[in-house]
Amino acid sequence: EDQVTQSPEALRLQEGESSSLNCSYTVSGLRGLFWYRQDPGKGPEFLFTLYSAGEEKEKERLKATLTKKESFLHITAPKPEDSATYLCAVQAWRGGGNKLTFGTGTQLKVEL
Amino acid sequence: DGGITQSPKYLFRKEGQNVTLSCEQNLNHDAMYWYRQDPGQGLRLIYYSQIVNDFQKGDIAEGYSVSREKKESFPLTVTSAQKNPTAFYLCASSINTGGEEKLFFGSGTQLSVL
Repeated sequence: EDQVTQSPEALRLQEGESSSLNCSYTVSGLRGLFWYRQDPGKGPEFLFTLYSAGEEKEKERLKATLTKKESFLHITAPKPEDSATYLCAVQAWRGGGNKLTFGTGTQLKVEL
Repeated sequence: DGGITQSPKYLFRKEGQNVTLSCEQNLNHDAMYWYRQDPGQGLRLIYYSQIVNDFQKGDIAEGYSVSREKKESFPLTVTSAQKNPTAFYLCASSINTGGEEKLFFGSGTQLSVL
């Protein structure tokens, strides 16, 4: 059974204070690892897909990296508008459509 | 403006009642999905459809039903058999572009029991 564990559950940062969110996973044959941002009462917004160990992707203040066991979402010099819940999900190589297994998320709060 | 539209935003269900959540997309995506989100839990897959007139059960299909008569539409019915329906329901669709998989979500429907 595929499993995704995100840590920490919640994180409070000062504006400009860089940090990282962790996503540990176990999956029988990783097809892709996904990062999403979710604001309260809204649907998740796609950020990145990573496919193989060593891969990195960047978007503004966010950088996602992938190893064989975990992924990190690095946030550089965060701003209050980066406050949201960040979700990680994995997709396995097996039949049955593009099923994703999600973690429970990290709730990020960036304060002035 | 392309996207996924879910309606209503809020829905209330009475005991023994079936309710239907709407999901429409104009992205021309073949695959569509329904997820359920509960506080403190990850999103869980209810049903998915890879093509019109075909759908498969996800991890928590009991008490739910779907149809896929049109490519653009994937409505979810929460039946009276679902004893704990209060949750945030998310519809999604997916596409593979240039070898990259992307799953896009609607804005969700909050279902509560009266």
